[in-house]
Formats: sequence, structure tokens, C-alpha cells
Amino acid sequence: AQTVTQSQPEMSVQEAETVTLSCTYDTSESNYYLFWYKQPPSRQMILVIRQEAYKQQNATENRFSVNFQKAAKSFSLKISDSQLGDTAMYFCAAPSGNTPLVFGKGTRLSVIA
Amino acid sequence: EAGVAQSPRYKIIEKRQSVAFWCNPISGHATLYWYQQILGQGPKLLIQFQNNGVVDDSQLPKDRFSAERLKGVDSTLKIQPAKLEDSAVYLCASSFGGGLYEQYFGPGTRLTVT
Repeated sequence: AQTVTQSQPEMSVQEAETVTLSCTYDTSESNYYLFWYKQPPSRQMILVIRQEAYKQQNATENRFSVNFQKAAKSFSLKISDSQLGDTAMYFCAAPSGNTPLVFGKGTRLSVIA
Repeated sequence: EAGVAQSPRYKIIEKRQSVAFWCNPISGHATLYWYQQILGQGPKLLIQFQNNGVVDDSQLPKDRFSAERLKGVDSTLKIQPAKLEDSAVYLCASSFGGGLYEQYFGPGTRLTVT
């Protein structure tokens, strides 16, 4: 069973606009971290942002922020002022059982000039 | 700080042949992960090491895949014999500790089995 679900296989956004990528997860952990990773075309995976589950405040990292709804097990990523360099696959990741991180299937984001 | 190193970057083999991948994690990182990423999907964990011990290998196809981290630093992942469905990118990642820590990924090895 898929424990991390990204419901948007592909998205596009105009340069300088804002876009939100969705993610839901399922975990029985009480203290955990959630992550968004970015994988540009033919380049390696890098961390975009992480959220500590016990913190109510949503994480923010420059133009990237999350909307974390713990009760709903929802963890969406908002990218403001989108740039061409934001074009990439974005993966949401959460712990599941004994596995530290389970990744979703990804959302392919295209930023259009 | 040097990142996670992997080699080779690309490998093409015929089915039933064997192949090995190498990973050198970030210095000081106790935890090392091997992932398989099939085209169009997210990475799937194959095996997790803590120092030189295996923490989780429940998703490793042990009839053909093996991995080791003898001195708690470098690691190798081997496939013998390879199947067509093993074509994927094999990612190595490392972290300072377990699940609460960020994982740093290497560039990956793209394997094509013909």
C-alpha cells in the first residue's frame, strides 16, 4: 500500500507565479520529520525543506514553505516566485514502519517563461 | 565538505551478467542507504546500514542482490545475475544518524540491462 501519495503527476506554472504541490502520508510514528526533495533533470536529489512533526509552525526556506496539517497527514509544498531553475521532479518523503523514508511517486514541475 | 560519491555513473550489461556499484558516504555519516529508482518513480529503499551493520534489508531481493559495508565507510551493492527489470538508477545516500536526519544523495548509477 502506498504510504506517501502525491496526487499530481505533473504541474506547470508561469515564471514568478506561485504553485502548491500536494502530499499525504501515513505513519504511526509520533515524532518524525517530513521532507521535500528536488531532483532536477539528470542531476542529483537535494533537500528542499523539512518539517518536524512536533512543531506546529510551518517550515519556511526562502521561496519554499510548507502547509503541514498533522491531523490530516497532509504536507504540501508551496513555491513562491517560481524560477526556471525550479523545474524538476519533486518528491515528498515520510517515515513508514521500520523504513526511515518512503518516497512518493513524485510531481514533475515545469516552470514556463 | 565532499558529497556522497558513487561510481560508475553509467553501466550497460546484458541480462544474467553481474555488476557492482560503489558508494563513499559523507565523512562522519554513520548511516548509509541504497535506493533503487525506476524511471518515473520515487526511490525505493533496498538496504540501510548503521556503521557496518544492516538495519533493514527487507526490500532487497536477496536471491540476486547483495550489499556490504565492511569497515563502516564505503559500501558496494552487487547484482548477480541481472534481469531486465533491474534497469534503474541506483542511488546511495548517507545521513548522520537514523530517520530524523536529512539524507544526502549521491549522483546515482544508471544501470541498463539489455
